[in-house]
Amino acid sequence: DAKTTQPPSMDCAEGRAANLPCNHSTISGNEYVYWYRQIHSQGPQYIIHGLKNNETNEMASLIITEDRKSSTLILPHATLRDTAVYYCIVRYRDDMRFGAGTRLTVKP
Amino acid sequence: SQTIHQWPATLVQPVGSPLSLECTVEGTSNPNLYWYRQAAGRGLQLLFYSVGIGQISSEVPQNLSASRPQDRQFILSSKKLLLSDSGFYLCAWTGTGSTEAFFGQGTRLTVV
Repeated sequence: DAKTTQPPSMDCAEGRAANLPCNHSTISGNEYVYWYRQIHSQGPQYIIHGLKNNETNEMASLIITEDRKSSTLILPHATLRDTAVYYCIVRYRDDMRFGAGTRLTVKP
Repeated sequence: SQTIHQWPATLVQPVGSPLSLECTVEGTSNPNLYWYRQAAGRGLQLLFYSVGIGQISSEVPQNLSASRPQDRQFILSSKKLLLSDSGFYLCAWTGTGSTEAFFGQGTRLTVV
C-alpha cells in the first residue's frame, strides 16, 4: 500500500502557482519524498525529491514540513503543459509504491 | 547516458494466449527493476521488482510472473491471459540507494 495521501484532483489557472499537497504521516527517518508526474499515456517523469530540506530545481520546488509528515510541490508558473497526474511517494532504496496521485488541470 | 527500452508499445492478445513483455536498460549496471500495471484512470500498481539477477519480489498475487535472466533485462510473462490483465504496463529502473526512477514508455495491452 502507498504511504502517501493526495487530493484526487486540483485546478490551477495558467500562469499562477500550483501547490500540490501530500501527506506522509508514517514516513520513517531514512525515507525520501519523491514527486513524479504522468502525462496521459506516457511513463511517469521524475520531478524532484528531498529528505529534510526544501529543494528547488528548474521544474519545481519541494517544501517539506519540519516534522516531515507532509510536503508540498510547487510549480511556480503553471502552463497548460503541466496538466498531468502528480504522484508523491516516500521511498528508501528498492521500495517504490505509488498511490493514486493528484490530477492537476491547468486552465487558460 | 542511461536509457530504458520497453516493447511493444501496443499489444492485442486473445484470452488464454501467452504474454511476454521485455524491458532492457542500457548504460548502467545492477539496476533495481520494476514492473507496474495501470488500469484506465487509476494509479500505478507495483507488480514485481528485482534487485538482482534471479531475484524477484512479487507484490500482488496474480496471473503474471516476472524473470530477470540478465542484469539489465526484466521480463513480464503470463501463460494464459485473462480479460482483467488488460492495462498499461510500465517498466522502470533505479540505481542503488535512493535515486530517482526512470520509466519506459509503456505497453498498452488489450486482452480480447
